[in-house]
Amino acid sequence: NAGVTQTPKFQVLKTGQSMTLQCAQDMNHEYMSWYRQDPGMGLRLIHYSVGAGITDQGEVPNGYNVSRSTTEDFPLRLLSAAPSQTSVYFCASSYSGQGVVNTEAFFGQGTRLTVV
Amino acid sequence: EDQVTQSPEALRLQEGESSSLNCSYTVSGLRGLFWYRQDPGKGPEFLFTLYSAGEEKEKERLKATLTKKESFLHITAPKPEDSATYLCAVQRTYKYIFGTGTRLKVLA
Repeated sequence: NAGVTQTPKFQVLKTGQSMTLQCAQDMNHEYMSWYRQDPGMGLRLIHYSVGAGITDQGEVPNGYNVSRSTTEDFPLRLLSAAPSQTSVYFCASSYSGQGVVNTEAFFGQGTRLTVV
Repeated sequence: EDQVTQSPEALRLQEGESSSLNCSYTVSGLRGLFWYRQDPGKGPEFLFTLYSAGEEKEKERLKATLTKKESFLHITAPKPEDSATYLCAVQRTYKYIFGTGTRLKVLA
């Protein structure tokens, strides 16, 4: 099993550009989420999904879009990149039983994004 | 408001010098408390889950404990390879709420 795979690992964008961060998991987990990690701020939830076709906003959703067309994939789209979106982005997935998430999250290796 | 606070922010230990990391939390409807290890440039790696006060779990030199208001990660006789950032998170419904972590450096 590959676990959670994120691409790309590094990316530099110019202000105003758009891009998609890819995330795929092969564990058949229903729950997937995106976090950003900034120094001194910890991991902050951007968006999450409890299953294919279902997404919801987290703590810091502005400037980001998500969709979940399959169980395996959960891409994160930056609509118009801003320097404030410079961060390290992590995708995570968890098993959910009976519609409730109560297990540990498995994380990808992260995407380090710089917006200039 | 749900909140997770970890202390200290940073900790330097000599090899073999035991210590504890603290994770204080306030959350309604706690479904679980999680400890993760994060190495530089990597994603967090799961260590432990604790579900109820009084619960303890061990793995090699690490032992996690849980009360109604806080959790401790005890590190016994640490080695340099234990150097990492240790993250604590609580789970409420579908959301994990993370602390800012403790950066541990173990000196040989």
